[in-house]
Amino acid sequence: RLVESGGGLVKPGGSLRLSCAASGFNFSPYTMNWVRQVPGRSLEWVAGIISSSSHIFYADSVKGRFTISRDNARQSLSLQMTSLRADDTSVYYCARGTEDNLFFFDLWGQGTQVTVSS
Amino acid sequence: DIQMTQSLSTLSASVGDRVTITCRASQTINNWLAWYQAKPGKAPNLLIYKASSLNVGVPSRFSASGYGTEFTLTIDSLQPEDFATYYCQQYNRFPWTFGQGTRVEIK
Repeated sequence: RLVESGGGLVKPGGSLRLSCAASGFNFSPYTMNWVRQVPGRSLEWVAGIISSSSHIFYADSVKGRFTISRDNARQSLSLQMTSLRADDTSVYYCARGTEDNLFFFDLWGQGTQVTVSS
Repeated sequence: DIQMTQSLSTLSASVGDRVTITCRASQTINNWLAWYQAKPGKAPNLLIYKASSLNVGVPSRFSASGYGTEFTLTIDSLQPEDFATYYCQQYNRFPWTFGQGTRVEIK
């Protein structure tokens, strides 16, 4: 199970930190990701991190503004979001990849809403 | 970036119908393709990975095929719970990209 938290309303230029708590499986070996969706629109992969944190990937739309990290001991994933813009408004999902570094997503959280508005 | 195109944004069908959803990649992705089902207010659900492998727990009325740039998802005998939006996603090349979705609605 994956449970996201930390969403909310923030002003443009502001910051927010999302968290994802994993339970019911061994978190360590899996790639982990954040995927977002504007309601009624498609899914957009945002960031991914492999098991050891040695490789981290970002979509161009968030590179330099968002930072993904993980704590395997605590079975948790985070997304630090800075310089937020209106077009970052979305539901953000925590999504599990695979143990062999493939980026399809077999377990998703319920999502947390992030709204960027003045 | 690899563009994923689902030709139909909406598909109308009835319970019991056979439904086929198509997805095209802008360049070859071999068989590194996944399909997801999404319903409003719920987390997306992985149906298919590696173009044709059924995820654990997914009903056998779902099947998929394709290689290279052309892919299909088929639902045999559509059930009431299958009315949802379906997305394809390539994971051949970074950044991983999704199609825009095909909504299957009740005719």
